[in-house]
Amino acid sequence: GNSVTQMEGPVTLSEEAFLTINCTYTATGYPSLFWYVQYPGEGLQLLLKATKADDKGSNKGFEATYRKETTSFHLEKGSVQVSDSAVYFCALATNDYKLSFGAGTTVTVRA
Amino acid sequence: GAGVSQSPSNKVTEKGKDVELRCDPISGHTALYWYRQRLGQGLEFLIYFQGNSAPDKSGLPSDRFSAERTGESVSTLTIQRTQQEDSAVYLCASRAGPNYGYTFGSGTRLTVV
Repeated sequence: GNSVTQMEGPVTLSEEAFLTINCTYTATGYPSLFWYVQYPGEGLQLLLKATKADDKGSNKGFEATYRKETTSFHLEKGSVQVSDSAVYFCALATNDYKLSFGAGTTVTVRA
Repeated sequence: GAGVSQSPSNKVTEKGKDVELRCDPISGHTALYWYRQRLGQGLEFLIYFQGNSAPDKSGLPSDRFSAERTGESVSTLTIQRTQQEDSAVYLCASRAGPNYGYTFGSGTRLTVV
């Protein structure tokens, strides 16, 4: 079956630090990969996505590259801000339409 | 509307009572999903509706859980005889089709006391 494993948190960083959240997956077929973000008190929002191997998704300074050879989709940001404090979820969807989510990684950025 | 709307946003119920959660998807979105997010955990798939096809109920945790959707409109998730372990945020999402992204609602926070 499909599964997503992401880096356990919580992660605490200082402003302007580099952020990486590891995500690896197991899937049959060719999944689409996503990062979702949940800011405090808000609903889940799509942050970025990639639909095929070697695609790079990017948004709000975040990037993730679909690596088929390592079955990974690690999320990176070069310089985080306090406003990036949130829970980040890695997810995948295959042709059978279900989203499979990782457990989420809580990120706290301190000023 | 502009987004996926869920109601109520918060629900506190006594153990053993039935609850009904509502989801209004984005107009024109044929696919609708229900997920559950327990405190400190990832999202669990519950059920999926696609147009007039039979729903995929494979994620429903017990026969106390059921969901309906009329056509491509509103969906209701019903939990009968609620238990404390049902306490979670219930999220609804919709999308226009396989090549489109998912849009999530803000969720219903259910607390069973």
